[in-house]
Amino acid sequence: GAVVSQHPSWVICKSGTSVKIECRSLDFQATTMFWYRQFPKQSLMLMATSNEGSKATYEQGVEKDKFLINHASLTLSTLTVTSAHPEDSSFYICSARGNRGTPDYGYTFGSGTRLTVV
Amino acid sequence: LAKTTQPISMDSYEGQEVNITCSHNNIATNDYITWYQQFPSQGPRFIIQGYKTKVTNEVASLFIPADRKSSTLSLPRVSLSDTAVYYCLVGAHYGGATNKLIFGTGTLLAVQP
Repeated sequence: GAVVSQHPSWVICKSGTSVKIECRSLDFQATTMFWYRQFPKQSLMLMATSNEGSKATYEQGVEKDKFLINHASLTLSTLTVTSAHPEDSSFYICSARGNRGTPDYGYTFGSGTRLTVV
Repeated sequence: LAKTTQPISMDSYEGQEVNITCSHNNIATNDYITWYQQFPSQGPRFIIQGYKTKVTNEVASLFIPADRKSSTLSLPRVSLSDTAVYYCLVGAHYGGATNKLIFGTGTLLAVQP
């Protein structure tokens, strides 16, 4: 089945620095990728949707200048948390969707990245 | 996108059958019902999807009444490893145009020995 690899699985960074999280579809082309954030004991919150080759669409309340999303290829999307602060500490999860009409059209999730900002 | 309502938590014992019900009164004609499982510090994992009546796979069954305003995920003979959060989503359709998956609160299932 479809596999999505997310890297790193955890990262600790200093306040004010930037962190990049990668999301790769390993065996299918992901025309659409989604980024979620999950705080402890809460549900997943959709941050943005990105389509390959175009700008990401951010959900209301998500700062696009702080959470930079790049989906430059059909197998890779990156989320960069810029000037991270402790309140950005969270579990970030990506999801990828393949081409319509193929078995990969479903949603496959990565394993998540635990970001801790100190 | 139809809103879903699930119990916040449920307790069970090993070997029992667990049924988690989800309400989705505003489900649209083209909406499918999908259930995901999430373990701590992991991404959600697809369990089962259905449109109406009953769907069964190797891990669960999904029961959907005729009015489709609710659905019940049935886990047969749960084990400790089934302790997780279970999310019910409505609107995601593998063959349709719905794009975003919006997660509700989910149900934390705790299986005791």
